[in-house]
Formats: sequence, structure tokens, C-alpha cells
Amino acid sequence: DGGITQSPKYLFRKEGQNVTLSCEQNLNHDAMYWYRQDPGQGLRLIYYSQIVNDFQKGDIAEGYSVSREKKESFPLTVTSAQKNPTAFYLCASSIDWGSVTGELFFGEGSRLTVL
Amino acid sequence: AQKVTQAQTEISVVEKEDVTLDCVYETRDTTYYLFWYKQPPSGELVFLIRRNSFDEQNEISGRYSWNFQKSTSSFNFTITASQVVDSAVYFCALSEAYGGSQGNLIFGKGTKLSVKP
Repeated sequence: DGGITQSPKYLFRKEGQNVTLSCEQNLNHDAMYWYRQDPGQGLRLIYYSQIVNDFQKGDIAEGYSVSREKKESFPLTVTSAQKNPTAFYLCASSIDWGSVTGELFFGEGSRLTVL
Repeated sequence: AQKVTQAQTEISVVEKEDVTLDCVYETRDTTYYLFWYKQPPSGELVFLIRRNSFDEQNEISGRYSWNFQKSTSSFNFTITASQVVDSAVYFCALSEAYGGSQGNLIFGKGTKLSVKP
């Protein structure tokens, strides 16, 4: 089945450690996104990629880094510079950036807890 | 600046009741898109509907209906005869149609709907 796979589903990290969240899609979509969800805060855009080998900062990019070396993959690294990394992270994709359909397809998320 | 407000943080209803989730938006664009997404307990968001700013017709899909009113900048979502499976967090979102930021959806904070049997 086509879709977006995020791993791991749950992750625990000690303060000061970097951690990488995986996001893979087999929908042949050009655009991919990372959102952060905090309780009562809705979704906020961290980074997005309109096409392979390109990515742009979203609204809350500080303390995060991404790469887009393959069309299918858009990993997110939460660095030790991120002050409050405990959150639910959602990866999404769309056919292209600004597609007329506008529909985002989401993974099931990764819950990161910093101990 | 664009903004989406979902004033209802949590709503609890009994099965078979009708329920309306409110969404109010702010934008300076004349052309834009509005969305509703559902987030069940499993975590992934599921697309429900997209509406462009030129189309103010109400839409009905089964037990779901949407009321778009530009005059009040609202895009409300009604579930008729609610069911336990409707329990989820529902997000309203907004994006511009032109200008390079079309893919950047601005989400509201969500409304958690609990439908009790």
C-alpha cells in the first residue's frame, strides 16, 4: 500500500543528544514536510522540501536539520540545540508544492521524549 | 498575517447528536484554500475537505457537511448523527493560492471531539 512511514513511533533521548527521525514515502510525491505538534498548539511547520536536494525552513526550524537526498526520504534531526524537543512529530507529503489538490498525506507520527 | 482560530478546545456529545465544529480564519489574500483534517487516536491526519475561496457552496458528504461563509470568515464543520468512530481531533487549516507559500498550511489548534455511546 502507498503511504508514509515514520520511525520510530516512540523515542526517548537524553538531554544533549541528537536524534534522527525517519520519514519514507512511496507515493512518488515531490513535496515533503515536517510538522511539530504540542498539546493544545496545533501543528507548526519545521521544514519543507519542494523537490529532491532542496529544502526550506518553516516557522520553527531552530534546533532542527533535514536532508533530501532521495525523493522518497526526508529525515529530520533534532539537535541538542533544540530547547524543548519533547513533542509529537508528523511527516507529510503532497504531490507537489502548492498542488491544486492541496491534500497533505501524513504519517502516523513519532513521539519524542527527552529525559 | 494568516491565522486560523478554533475556539472550541474540546467538545463532548452523546452518540447520535449533531455537533458543529467552528473555524474562523484571517487572511489578506483574496484567493485562498480552506481545509479540514481529522486526527484519530492513531496519530496520522486524514484529509476531509478542501474548499477554495471562490466557492461558497455548502458541501455535504454523508454525515459530514461544511458551511463556508466569507462574510464572517468562517468554515464550520457539522457532523450529523455522530458516532463513536467520529471521536478524534479535528483541524481546520488555511493556505494561500498564490505567492509561493501554497504548500504551507496554517493550522488551527484543533478541536477534540469525544462521542460517548
